[in-house]
Amino acid sequence: SQQGEEDPQALSIQEGENATMNCSYKTSINNLQWYRQNSGRGLVHLILIRSNEREKHSGRLRVTLDTSKKSSSLLITASRAADTASYFCATDAVRRAGNMLTFGGGTRLMVKP
Amino acid sequence: EAQVTQNPRYLITVTGKKLTVTCSQNMNHEYMSWYRQDPGLGLRQIYYSMNVEVTDKGDVPEGYKVSRKEKRNFPLILESPSPNQTSLYFCASRAGTSGTEQYFGPGTRLTVT
Repeated sequence: SQQGEEDPQALSIQEGENATMNCSYKTSINNLQWYRQNSGRGLVHLILIRSNEREKHSGRLRVTLDTSKKSSSLLITASRAADTASYFCATDAVRRAGNMLTFGGGTRLMVKP
Repeated sequence: EAQVTQNPRYLITVTGKKLTVTCSQNMNHEYMSWYRQDPGLGLRQIYYSMNVEVTDKGDVPEGYKVSRKEKRNFPLILESPSPNQTSLYFCASRAGTSGTEQYFGPGTRLTVT
């Protein structure tokens, strides 16, 4: 089952604009992570936000977490054509006998030059 | 360099012919996972392992087997592949504790005819 669901599924913007992607999840989490995937390649970790944090920054990335609404958002500021990729949220929650990440369906971002 | 490697990267095979996709990590991680990625379905976890000789089913384990005889290796075995196992497969690893990022391999694109 997919814990995280991203919204929108696809997003197209012009270079220089900001891109916002949202993620909703269903159960309690220890932390939430965002990953990036260039077409057909492995996912790369971008940022992790813990359940007791509300906002976190890393370069042009800003992540927020609202545990009361079970949602998170990823903001990419001043987007570049090289930001074109799919972005996934992953929830880190205790399940079964161990802590495993569960990924959402992803948002496909296209940044036009 | 910290990395997860997978082999082969591309594989075309026929229904029923047993195959193994290898996965190896050089970070001494306890946790390893296999995912499959299909259009519109995101990443779905097949199996995971919390340490040597400890494996558990993910969300879509049917038709797959795994083993974890050494900490660094986590092969995925398809005893009798079928066309519905045509997919992009990713191996991933992470350190044992919650709150750590997951490292992904480059992916194996499998086609079963």
